[in-house]
This record gives sequence, C-alpha cells and structure tokens, in this order.
Amino acid sequence: GQQLNQSPQSMFIQEGEDVSMNCTSSSIFNTWLWYKQDPGEGPVLLIALYKAGELTSNGRLTAQFGTTRKDSFLNISASIPSDVGIYFCAGQLTGANSKLTFGKGITLSVRP
Amino acid sequence: DVKVTQSSRYLVKRTGEKVFLECVQDMDHENMFWYRQDPGLGLRLIYFSYDVKMKEKGDIPEGYSVSREKKERFSLILESASTNQTSMYLCASSLGGGRVDYGYTFGSGTRLTVV
Repeated sequence: GQQLNQSPQSMFIQEGEDVSMNCTSSSIFNTWLWYKQDPGEGPVLLIALYKAGELTSNGRLTAQFGTTRKDSFLNISASIPSDVGIYFCAGQLTGANSKLTFGKGITLSVRP
Repeated sequence: DVKVTQSSRYLVKRTGEKVFLECVQDMDHENMFWYRQDPGLGLRLIYFSYDVKMKEKGDIPEGYSVSREKKERFSLILESASTNQTSMYLCASSLGGGRVDYGYTFGSGTRLTVV
C-alpha cells in the first residue's frame, strides 16, 4: 500500500531545542494527522488538520496542513525528555472511507 | 474518551499454535483495524472491518484471519503461528461513515513472540 514519506528515520536533539518534522506525499490528502507513540504503547493522536493551510497548536506542538495538500509539518518547541518517542504522520485520501495512510515514523531522542 | 483495549500486553506462543488476539472498543465505533509494527517498516495494515461480520484484507493479510461477531470486538487470528509473525500488534478503531474527525484510537498493543 501507499505510504507517506517521513525522514530521517531517527533524530537526536538536545533538551530545550526546537525540532521540525515533515511528511510528504505524491497524492493529495484532505485530512492530515500527527501521532506520537511512547515506548511500549500504542500511538496517540496529537493534532488533526482538516483544511489546506491550516495551522494548529497543541501546547508546545504546532502542525500545518500544506497548501498543496501533499505535505504537513510538525514543530516541537523547547523539547523535554518526555518528548522521546516515534512520531507518525497520517493522511486520508479523498474517498478512502476512513482508512488512513501512515508514514513510517520518526524516532525522536532527546539528550538531557 | 474512547478506549481500545487489547487483551494481552505480552504473549509468547509456540510455532504452529493457533493464536487469538482480542480487541474491544467502548464507543460504538463502526470501523476497526489490525496493524503490525516492525522496526523500520512502520505500521502495516493486516485487516479491517467497517461493520459487524464484514472484513476486508489490508496490505499483509497472509497468515492471518479476523472475526467481528459484535460491533465492539475485533479478533485477529494467527491460524498457525510462525516465527516471522513475531511483532507488535496494534488494534485501532474509528467513527466510520467516511468521517475522520479524530482519526484512529489505538490500543496499547500486544507484543507477540513466536518461538
């Protein structure tokens, strides 16, 4: 099946730094979502985006729905140790009847 | 909050055994999904269901089957477990009806080891 492109596979940052992740696709999506998976747990929804150009924040997290509808960005500001985990992007293709397409995820490590 | 509960967090089974992974959701969601997660491969869809007694194959259905006799319960069955089915298995549910208002809600996962 189709997957979204997330790279690099791993990122290492210092506590307090900001970090940006992006997610790209060759297809248009009408919904973008960002999930975080803590070690040993299932993914949890962080932010959902429903309109092209939409910018949404959730605490230190900010995500944007790209204007081309083919990409999305997630920014984490002032990182803390509990930000470690795997960050997945997901999109819904038009007419997909609720089935999401996921990126492979980015594993974030935060050095104290 | 919607809760998706997977019956076991850790499971160890022998090669050739029939394995049942159970998933229950408590918010009347129409759609339920089973994924497996392996390092470097992301989330891969095994099977999904849009309604009771309905099921559709995902991207990697070989070696698996599913059962949805009640709306709230979606079971994944490994007919004859093999070592290459050692993985993290994640169940998810969503509202349905073509809506993705809040995406999927995932369970905590079952880490299955086949020896």
